[in-house]
Amino acid sequence: SYELTQPPSVSVSPGQTASITCSGEKLGDKYGYWYQQKPGQSPVLVIYEDNKRPSGIPERFSGSNSGNTATLTISGTQAMDEAEYYCQAWDSSTVTFGGGTKLSVL
Amino acid sequence: EVQLLESGGGLVQPGGSLRLSCAASGFILGSYAMSWVRQAPGKGLEWVSVISGSGGSAYYGESVKGRFTISRDNSKNTLYLQMNSLRVEDTAVYYCAKIPPVTAWYFDYWGQGTLVTVSS
Repeated sequence: SYELTQPPSVSVSPGQTASITCSGEKLGDKYGYWYQQKPGQSPVLVIYEDNKRPSGIPERFSGSNSGNTATLTISGTQAMDEAEYYCQAWDSSTVTFGGGTKLSVL
Repeated sequence: EVQLLESGGGLVQPGGSLRLSCAASGFILGSYAMSWVRQAPGKGLEWVSVISGSGGSAYYGESVKGRFTISRDNSKNTLYLQMNSLRVEDTAVYYCAKIPPVTAWYFDYWGQGTLVTVSS
């Protein structure tokens, strides 16, 4: 089965850039998707098709995907961005999520 | 406004059954594939199942294959998940999620979730 690996936690200072990685075999050959989940809330799509932002998602959220790694980048990180972030891929009628990364804004 | 409202969760004994429902509003349910995704307490997201817009095709994650059945009634704007032979490890919040009208499976809207607890 396909696996996606994320770091358990990432810390960033307010106003700085946060990068969260997601690794999987030949992930760059698929599309990467990213979700934000705050405590007690449902996930929210923040990036689709590697680097596109849904309506309403701030421009500070961006994404890239190449080789074996997809990356979610948050520029000018704000306290409100503190959350769990999950990457996701789709292939062969199966959906795979990464294990999640807790982003702390310290 | 797209809204997804899950119901039907609760406490069930191991080996028991439960049917979840997801009432959709704000869009034409039959035009979209739909999915169930679950999250065990304190854990990450796990994909459960996808059903095509017509209901003619369904797909399942390995951990639920043969035990869970996804279905839909587009005339009632409702998605279902029939869960049989439940196990303790099926304990989770179950979310229904809408898939955009594209060939890939990802989720642009999520419900608030319903908690299923499997315990004796």
